[in-house]
Amino acid sequence: DIELTQSPSTLSASVGDRVTITCRASESIISWLAWYQQKPGKPPKLLLYKASILETGVSSRFSGSGSGTEFTLTINSLQPDDFATYYCQHYKSEPYSFGQGTRLDIK
Amino acid sequence: QVQLMQSGGQVKEPGASVKISCKSSGYTFTNSYVHWVRQAPGQALEWIGIFNPTGGSTGVARNFQGRVTMTGDTPTRTVYIELNSLTSEDTALYFCARHQGYIDYWGQGTLITVSS
Repeated sequence: DIELTQSPSTLSASVGDRVTITCRASESIISWLAWYQQKPGKPPKLLLYKASILETGVSSRFSGSGSGTEFTLTINSLQPDDFATYYCQHYKSEPYSFGQGTRLDIK
Repeated sequence: QVQLMQSGGQVKEPGASVKISCKSSGYTFTNSYVHWVRQAPGQALEWIGIFNPTGGSTGVARNFQGRVTMTGDTPTRTVYIELNSLTSEDTALYFCARHQGYIDYWGQGTLITVSS
């Protein structure tokens, strides 16, 4: 099974900052990676798929990059609404596992 | 618009079974697989399995094999998941979600509480 490891687990930042979250896969997933944002008690929201394609309606402040085993999610000019938990998920093959999440807190 | 509407929360005793429904609308039901994902309190998302409404084939994560059954009913556009032999560790918010390779739409979640 493919394992995804996100880092950091927790990230503190201020409004206006730029932050980067990393997701590493235990084997190559080519570009079959999605990023989600989740707020407490709510379902996740799709941000990007195929590592770097922005979902319709998602702010261009979000961007993704990477291929193979290493991927990054970058958020530019943090806004108050961005403070949430972020997950990566691969969809190369079953089981479609998630990373353990990165909680983005206000500093 | 695409919507996935899940059944309401339930409280179950240890050892019992639970069945959750997920009714789809706004897209062709048989064109998309449906995922089941859960999230225990304060924990990460955990992938449970995937259901193909055309033919009924399933894929289940190793941790749930032998304990999960996923089914569907095309006329009502509804997918179901049943989890058996519940323990307190199954207390979680359970989500269904539409598969497009990645997941693009999610249900609102169903809270299952296992307690004696």
